[in-house]
Amino acid sequence: AQSVAQPEDQVNVAEGNPLTVKCTYSVSGNPYLFWYVQYPNRGLQFLLKYITGDNLVKGSYGFEAEFNKSQTSFHLKKPSALVSDSALYFCAVRGSPGRRALTFGSGTRLQVQP
Amino acid sequence: DAGVIQSPRHEVTEMGQEVTLRCKPISGHNSLFWYRQTMMRGLELLIYFNNNVPIDDSGMPEDRFSAKMPNASFSTLKIQPSEPRDSAVYFCASSLYHRGIDPMNTEAFFGQGTRLTVV
Repeated sequence: AQSVAQPEDQVNVAEGNPLTVKCTYSVSGNPYLFWYVQYPNRGLQFLLKYITGDNLVKGSYGFEAEFNKSQTSFHLKKPSALVSDSALYFCAVRGSPGRRALTFGSGTRLQVQP
Repeated sequence: DAGVIQSPRHEVTEMGQEVTLRCKPISGHNSLFWYRQTMMRGLELLIYFNNNVPIDDSGMPEDRFSAKMPNASFSTLKIQPSEPRDSAVYFCASSLYHRGIDPMNTEAFFGQGTRLTVV
């Protein structure tokens, strides 16, 4: 089985401040972890993924994510938030052997205040 | 590439009517996924296909839902008869994997979704 938890429904941050959106996962095999962003009335857009290698993964729009195996976490981060980063963020995992479909978390709404 | 194309973007129908949602995956992609998004349940996988063959349909809510993929460039999700609780945004996504490359590390590309309202 595979599952993802995003413990925060919403994260508020001031523009220019660093942001973190939390994600923890559970899989039976090696984890393949993804972050997606959804803007209003749009589909999900891929941001970044962790497969193997460096624990810090860099993605689109200045976002990065840190994989922590001992804590089974994959938190999304950005050093300096922009108002335009305000959106819904989904963490997803693939980890059960042979299961290609992604399992998504419940989503975290990021609100960046000017 | 135009990306994953879904139609219609919005659909309003009366309870009991048949609804058909359509998806054109990215050309050359060989995996296709149907997801449903609601406020209460978030993003749920309904079904996915590999090379036009349904692999896992355990997420399909009930027999009223059916999905087909007659060829590599087209898929449909049908609800018959529709009910108000089917109201949601339905997303189609596709991905590509190559022989010899781990299919687990390929990202999925999503369409813009179909917002279905059943009244």
